[in-house]
Amino acid sequence: QVTLRESGPALVKRTQTLTLTCTFSGFSLSTRGMCVSWIRQPPGKALEWLALIDWDDDKYYSISLKTRLTISKDTSKNQVVLTMTNMDPVDTATYYCARMTSVAGVFPYGMDVWGQGTTVTVSS
Amino acid sequence: DIQMTQPPSSLSASVGDRVTITCRASQSISSYLNWYQQKPGKAPNLLMYAASSLHSGVPSRFSGSGSGTDFTLTISSLQPEDFATYYCQQTYSTPWTFGQGTKVEIK
Repeated sequence: QVTLRESGPALVKRTQTLTLTCTFSGFSLSTRGMCVSWIRQPPGKALEWLALIDWDDDKYYSISLKTRLTISKDTSKNQVVLTMTNMDPVDTATYYCARMTSVAGVFPYGMDVWGQGTTVTVSS
Repeated sequence: DIQMTQPPSSLSASVGDRVTITCRASQSISSYLNWYQQKPGKAPNLLMYAASSLHSGVPSRFSGSGSGTDFTLTISSLQPEDFATYYCQQTYSTPWTFGQGTKVEIK
């Protein structure tokens, strides 16, 4: 059974750096094709994709947030970490991680398993 | 970025109704279109991938169609547990983008 779980601070202050951890089980990020994405959802708003890391340590980022985001993985711990710098109240959201599968450089299968999400509030 | 549009933002329907939800991409995305269902306070769940493939465990009353720029998600007979918000998403090119969602409400 594949599961993912997000963890991190519930409250951060404006200008601080947010560090979120996605701990997963049921698959390995050293297996060809396996990837983990981060997605966020502000209260009452739509989903926004943030970043992805794949089994080969390739990384993809949202264009609008690229300068603030860093994604990394620790394969031995089955964890993916997302850092976001210079947090602002507009970054208040529920942050999700999700598994994806890459096939020959494309992503045809969507985000098939999601974590429950972690809510982050940014205070001013 | 590829823009995904989902008109309308909400619709009302009754149990047993056939419901169609639309999604349009700002440029061709071939069939790299996924559909998710989200209930309040919960994470999204994958329903369909590659425009018309049913994700494992999803009831067969859900179906998807389309390619290029225009896509639809159809619920053949709406059930009480289907009242939720539905999002489309393209994974044709990064940054992957979602539609704004269509909320299916009880009439």
